[in-house]
Amino acid sequence: DSGVTQTPKHLITATGQRVTLRCSPRSGDLSVYWYQQSLDQGLQFLIQYYNGEERAKGNILERFSAQQFPDLHSELNLSSLELGDSALYFCASSVTSGYEQFFGPGTRLTVL
Amino acid sequence: DQQVKQNSPSLSVQEGRISILNCDYTNSMFDYFLWYKKYPAEGPTFLISISSIKDKNEDGRFTVFLNKSAKHLSLHIVPSQPGDSAVYFCAASGQGAGSYQLTFGKGTKLSVIP
Repeated sequence: DSGVTQTPKHLITATGQRVTLRCSPRSGDLSVYWYQQSLDQGLQFLIQYYNGEERAKGNILERFSAQQFPDLHSELNLSSLELGDSALYFCASSVTSGYEQFFGPGTRLTVL
Repeated sequence: DQQVKQNSPSLSVQEGRISILNCDYTNSMFDYFLWYKKYPAEGPTFLISISSIKDKNEDGRFTVFLNKSAKHLSLHIVPSQPGDSAVYFCAASGQGAGSYQLTFGKGTKLSVIP
């Protein structure tokens, strides 16, 4: 158990819909990262938050957004969903300046 | 453009023997490298890491070697155990703009045969 929690574990929805994925980092970790793993791609970095502020952006679509709240939990919002958004979404956390990131169990999103 | 490459999608090794997983990178700004292990339906688990100022790091049965001139790293598992069967991901990071985002390879599936 990494100490990172993600909810829900599975999500099935339809095209055009909007969903919110939630992540609670390990106690004491200030950085939260979101990654997407689709069938034909490896883990792709989406976005990072540090202590409530956006720190870095990767291959994140404009239809996707995220935020980190004062209690340090983070939410990833996916809107106008397309079939190609079906993937595993992982959240990871790390200490202030740590390279080692600890991953949650992921949310499997299926868009029908 | 894949900056981190794991060219072997799969590897089978006999229990007790050495497993060697390889990884190549192209971005010379990377200065920290990590290996993660992943079981199905679970998140990646951090295994071992190495800074670019070192060429070797050991942790129990796991050793990571870094060859900066060749932009190549490898993970050695000795002796291999059936519980090591999983997908192994190589990842790299460079402290660009204060971010520690990871760039991952596509993984190598290791099967350790009893």
